[in-house]
Amino acid sequence: EAGVAQSPRYKIIEKRQSVAFWCNPISGHATLYWYQQILGQGPKLLIQFQNNGVVDDSQLPKDRFSAERLKGVDSTLKIQPAKLEDSAVYLCASSPSLGETGNHNYGYTFGSGTRLTVV
Amino acid sequence: GENVEQHPSTLSVQEGDSAVIKCTYSDSASNYFPWYKQELGKRPQLIIDIRSNVGEKKDQRIAVTLNKTAKHFSLHITETQPEDSAVYFCAASRRGGSTLGRLYFGRGTQLTVWP
Repeated sequence: EAGVAQSPRYKIIEKRQSVAFWCNPISGHATLYWYQQILGQGPKLLIQFQNNGVVDDSQLPKDRFSAERLKGVDSTLKIQPAKLEDSAVYLCASSPSLGETGNHNYGYTFGSGTRLTVV
Repeated sequence: GENVEQHPSTLSVQEGDSAVIKCTYSDSASNYFPWYKQELGKRPQLIIDIRSNVGEKKDQRIAVTLNKTAKHFSLHITETQPEDSAVYFCAASRRGGSTLGRLYFGRGTQLTVWP
């Protein structure tokens, strides 16, 4: 099966500029996640969608970050305006469902990420 | 929320030796514990996972153990090879409610296997 697609792979912008990232999840996966991975740290969840609804955006800096998942498929993550501390890899992931009891395989698959450098 | 601590931050072993990475978690409701391997510039890839109804799981040279009472789990790699060199992340998640599927990651362990 095709993996999680992300673009662009790399982006360099000046602080206070805006930037957008795109993600196309695995076909049929209902749940989509955006993670931020700062160099030397583990990924941190920014936002989680179930179809086109937001499940968890408690860690999303809403004054500058926004995300949408129109039609419950592709998603975009936007930063406006960017700060130096936003330099990180932005990973998109998808899984087939929220999960249930039993022997469920989350099928949690990451994309290759977008490396953002803010200068 | 959940807090996952991971040790050590760096680990160097000789080829053929074993490597052990340990993680602790704080939320007793967490019940799913995956391990990811991330090579430089690449995506995290799931290498093994364990659910809270199981104490140990093995897949060839890789094994994971879970102690729910102590809230810690460990990754064991035997007969290490240079291609095992990467950053390894542990994570914890909780089924149920609005946080289904959300992973809380440790800070990672840089494993280096010397030939």
